[in-house]
Amino acid sequence: AQKITQTQPGMFVQEKEAVTLDCTYDTSDQSYGLFWYKQPSSGEMIFLIYQGSYDEQNATEGRYSLNFQKARKSANLVISASQLGDSAMYFCAMREGHYGQNFVFGPGTRLSVLP
Amino acid sequence: SQTIHQWPATLVQPVGSPLSLECTVEGTSNPNLYWYRQAAGRGLQLLFYSVGIGQISSEVPQNLSASRPQDRQFILSSKKLLLSDSGFYLCAWTAGLAGGTDTQYFGPGTRLTVL
Repeated sequence: AQKITQTQPGMFVQEKEAVTLDCTYDTSDQSYGLFWYKQPSSGEMIFLIYQGSYDEQNATEGRYSLNFQKARKSANLVISASQLGDSAMYFCAMREGHYGQNFVFGPGTRLSVLP
Repeated sequence: SQTIHQWPATLVQPVGSPLSLECTVEGTSNPNLYWYRQAAGRGLQLLFYSVGIGQISSEVPQNLSASRPQDRQFILSSKKLLLSDSGFYLCAWTAGLAGGTDTQYFGPGTRLTVL
């Protein structure tokens, strides 16, 4: 079974609008971390935001926020005030266990910001 | 601050030739190191990870191998490349912390084309 599911292969958003990228995960561990990465056309993977399984508040980093719903096992990324430079692939990832070494990545969502 | 380097940036190799990709990390000690492969338009596939010198875990059986001769150096090799080895190879590191925000940071990647 897929551990990380991203059901939106592609998304379009108008510049300056907000957009939500979906991510659901599957784990039986109580301790885990959830991450979002951005991959522009250059290929480099850029870390955006982190949410720990015990964090009670949703993580925020500038225009990025993570809508963490633990009971639903979802960790959606919200980008506010989209910019043309936000056009990229976005990957959700999970690290399982308190001493987990491995990261599991979802298939990604391609976001296109329209002028 | 920590930086991660990969070289070469691009590589075109004939089928059956050997391969050596190098990854080095600066500004940290005893990192966990990872090699991923990404096929065009796809997600990340974990190939190898290492928690210390000489300690390599393989996730996918194939004709690739990895070595960690020094604390901050991780090498991906092959004796004979296959067409299916084409892809974008990413190296990543974490601090190896238990729990917490043990975030994975990526290098710029190597784009390999096997002809």
